[in-house]
Amino acid sequence: KQEVTQIPAALSVPEGENLVLNCSFTDSAIYNLQWFRQDPGKGLTSLLLIQSSQREQTSGRLNASLDKSSGRSTLYIAASQPGDSATYLCAVRGIQGAQKLVFGQGTRLTINP
Amino acid sequence: NAGVTQTPKFQVLKTGQSMTLQCAQDMNHEYMSWYRQDPGMGLRLIHYSVGAGITDQGEVPNGYNVSRSTTEDFPLRLLSAAPSQTSVYFCASSSGASFGETQYFGPGTRLLVL
Repeated sequence: KQEVTQIPAALSVPEGENLVLNCSFTDSAIYNLQWFRQDPGKGLTSLLLIQSSQREQTSGRLNASLDKSSGRSTLYIAASQPGDSATYLCAVRGIQGAQKLVFGQGTRLTINP
Repeated sequence: NAGVTQTPKFQVLKTGQSMTLQCAQDMNHEYMSWYRQDPGMGLRLIHYSVGAGITDQGEVPNGYNVSRSTTEDFPLRLLSAAPSQTSVYFCASSSGASFGETQYFGPGTRLLVL
């Protein structure tokens, strides 16, 4: 059974810092991995999608990497801003049970001005 | 494009009442799904559909029904609400029936069952 873990559960950093959020998964047989952002009381906003054949994806100040063999992904946020404060979720779509995304519990990020 | 829309945003039910959570998308996506989000449990798949007329169960389907008569709409029905169904419900969609596409989520429906 695929399990997804995100560490740390919460992170607080001063504005301007570069930071890394971690995601690990137990079964490397995946189609893809997706990073989402969730603001309090809101829905999920897709940030980046990495296919299993890819090593990384970039969008603006965000860079996500994927190491499928070790079951790890990282989300790198450069030059953090207070507006980046949110919960970040990673989700894996496994080859087995491909109809569902398996989500981690998320990392709650706070950027302090 | 409005993307994925959900109504209502918030609902309070009494145990045993029924209701339908509405979900619609205007992106002509084939794949639609329903998740529930609970503290400590993350998001879990309830039901999904790979196209009009085709639905299947996810990992927590008990107490919920779905149908897909059009590409655009995918309503979720609670036949007899229970307090255990208090949760935040998200509808999601993606293009095609393949699993390599980005999932787009709606804003959610917060349901409280008393």
